[in-house]
Amino acid sequence: GAVVSQHPSWVICKSGTSVKIECRSLDFQATTMFWYRQFPKQSLMLMATSNEGSKATYEQGVEKDKFLINHASLTLSTLTVTSAHPEDSSFYICSARVGGPSYNEQFFGPGTRLTVL
Amino acid sequence: EDQVTQSPEALRLQEGESSSLNCSYTVSGLRGLFWYRQDPGKGPEFLFTLYSAGEEKEKERLKATLTKKESFLHITAPKPEDSATYLCAVHPSGSARQLTFGSGTQLTVLP
Repeated sequence: GAVVSQHPSWVICKSGTSVKIECRSLDFQATTMFWYRQFPKQSLMLMATSNEGSKATYEQGVEKDKFLINHASLTLSTLTVTSAHPEDSSFYICSARVGGPSYNEQFFGPGTRLTVL
Repeated sequence: EDQVTQSPEALRLQEGESSSLNCSYTVSGLRGLFWYRQDPGKGPEFLFTLYSAGEEKEKERLKATLTKKESFLHITAPKPEDSATYLCAVHPSGSARQLTFGSGTQLTVLP
């Protein structure tokens, strides 16, 4: 149980285009999902917390208008990188929390490698 | 400010050579400490959650322990397939923030 999927697993796009990444919880409902970014040989940096049916909460320094997050259902959250530039190239990972606010365990998706040319 | 420090940054072991990875943390209060394994190009895989000092959990060749200041991930008789980056994360209590990750320990087990 507690399987999280991401699509696509990798994407290459031209500078200036927008890219959408999907995160799905396959066998449970996730009221809260999280989006992380990871640069090579570095740890995960939380970008935003996505709550079903409400606006996402962004971490300090993360541009809301550039990284659009939508959590339209209990099993799907999407991250759209708008007007992507080469510096947005990174490994994007989502996670979903099992259970309510009193539960801590997060299960991660396999990640999406974004390369912006 | 919450801080998580993992050591060593990298560790090379011979197959069968047991060792420990360290995760030191500074938080105002601890709701939980988590260990994950991450393979290259993959998302982190959940291993353990520890909630209070003195708690221990085991899974195959791995054993995680927790004190008030640090956690250890003990690896007994490792195999090459145990090679990965091991991440430690804390969930501070009384905070809206979620997990704060350490930078990880890259473990290589040589056959």
